[in-house]
Amino acid sequence: AQSVSQHNHHVILSEAASLELGCNYSYGGTVNLFWYVQYPGQHLQLLLKYFSGDPLVKGIKGFEAEFIKSKFSFNLRKPSVQWSDTAEYFCAVNARTGRRALTFGSGTRLQVQP
Amino acid sequence: NAGVTQTPKFQVLKTGQSMTLQCAQDMNHEYMSWYRQDPGMGLRLIHYSVGAGITDQGEVPNGYNVSRSTTEDFPLRLLSAAPSQTSVYFCASRLGKIAGGTDTQYFGPGTRLTVL
Repeated sequence: AQSVSQHNHHVILSEAASLELGCNYSYGGTVNLFWYVQYPGQHLQLLLKYFSGDPLVKGIKGFEAEFIKSKFSFNLRKPSVQWSDTAEYFCAVNARTGRRALTFGSGTRLQVQP
Repeated sequence: NAGVTQTPKFQVLKTGQSMTLQCAQDMNHEYMSWYRQDPGMGLRLIHYSVGAGITDQGEVPNGYNVSRSTTEDFPLRLLSAAPSQTSVYFCASRLGKIAGGTDTQYFGPGTRLTVL
């Protein structure tokens, strides 16, 4: 079974600071990787996903993530955060074969101070 | 399209009561899932379905039942509510027809359940 670790539980940044949120996964086979965002009081929305090709993927709202296969990592980045990026961010993975249900990390709460 | 809809938005139960959380999608998605979200634990999969008439257990299925009689609907039943089931419940769906599982999963707005 796959598992996902997000080591940063709560991150506080000032506006215009750069962001990097860590995500590591554990699985023996080929996976798809996702980042979801949950704004306060809202449901989860997809930020970006990776399944093949260029390991640097770009998503909505200026976010990007890099897949490093050797490190089993899929870190989320943004060069300059805004107050509106305050939200909880979830990394998720599913296997390419078999059940393919999404497994989520525990989430990182990002607080951007104006 | 309405996407994924859930009812009710909020619910308070007493220990031992039963209830059904409703979930529907109008995107003709094959895959539907139920998750619970608890602080510091992310989303954990309760049950999922890969098509009408087919369901399977996720990570935390105990105390919950599901059925999938139609493509559109995937209700979650709490048989005898317990305080440990206090949580936010999210229903999700995805197309399911794309090989390799790369299709995007869409989430409903959630149901906040409190069990006293």
